[in-house]
Amino acid sequence: QVQLQESGPGLVKPSETLSLTCTVSGDSISGHHWSWIRQPPGKGLEWIGYIYDSGSTNSNPSLKSRLTTSLDTSKNQISLKLSSVTAADTAVYYCARVGGYESSGYYLDYWGQGTLVTVSS
Amino acid sequence: SYVLTQPPSVSVAPGQTARITCGGNKIGSKNVHWYQQKPGQAPVLVVYDDSDRPSGIPERFSGSNSGNTATLTISRVEAGDEADYYCQVWDTSSDREVFGGGTKVTVL
Repeated sequence: QVQLQESGPGLVKPSETLSLTCTVSGDSISGHHWSWIRQPPGKGLEWIGYIYDSGSTNSNPSLKSRLTTSLDTSKNQISLKLSSVTAADTAVYYCARVGGYESSGYYLDYWGQGTLVTVSS
Repeated sequence: SYVLTQPPSVSVAPGQTARITCGGNKIGSKNVHWYQQKPGQAPVLVVYDDSDRPSGIPERFSGSNSGNTATLTISRVEAGDEADYYCQVWDTSSDREVFGGGTKVTVL
């Protein structure tokens, strides 16, 4: 059974960098694509971006300039860094495994439980 | 950018059928995926590629997509189906995934 677990600081100061790690068990991150999604409290889902098995990325244009994502195959982890955060970045952050094909559209077939990150001084 | 429109809420009696719509311009030309999210939990994929079900998802969940509307249908609704439901598509014009605003299903 594939399991994903997000981890990182629950509180980040404005203008600083939010850093999260997603640890995958039950599957190798190699050969799969992965995604980050976030959900502000009481609101809907927002796609952050994909990191492909090659290590290349595709990000939400609204976040692209502040976003860095990477794979660490030795630790079976995916990481996210979002710089210059503001209160608008307060959300539950999820990592997810990507299913499907680019030609038919990707979907998210396994999700982590999510981690709440609050941006506040 | 591409906008997906869902009704904020749908109410249904147990045993009846719930239909959750997801509207978008020519959405019938895209593959639509649906997620169920219960309070305090992560979303769960319930339908992908318009109408396919992942293993473990009951046959009561089905999907369709045509024209400007995709629909998630939940037959023989149970109390445990009470949740928020989100649709998702890839927007080729802005090169990003788009989610609908979500529909809260209440079982009366």
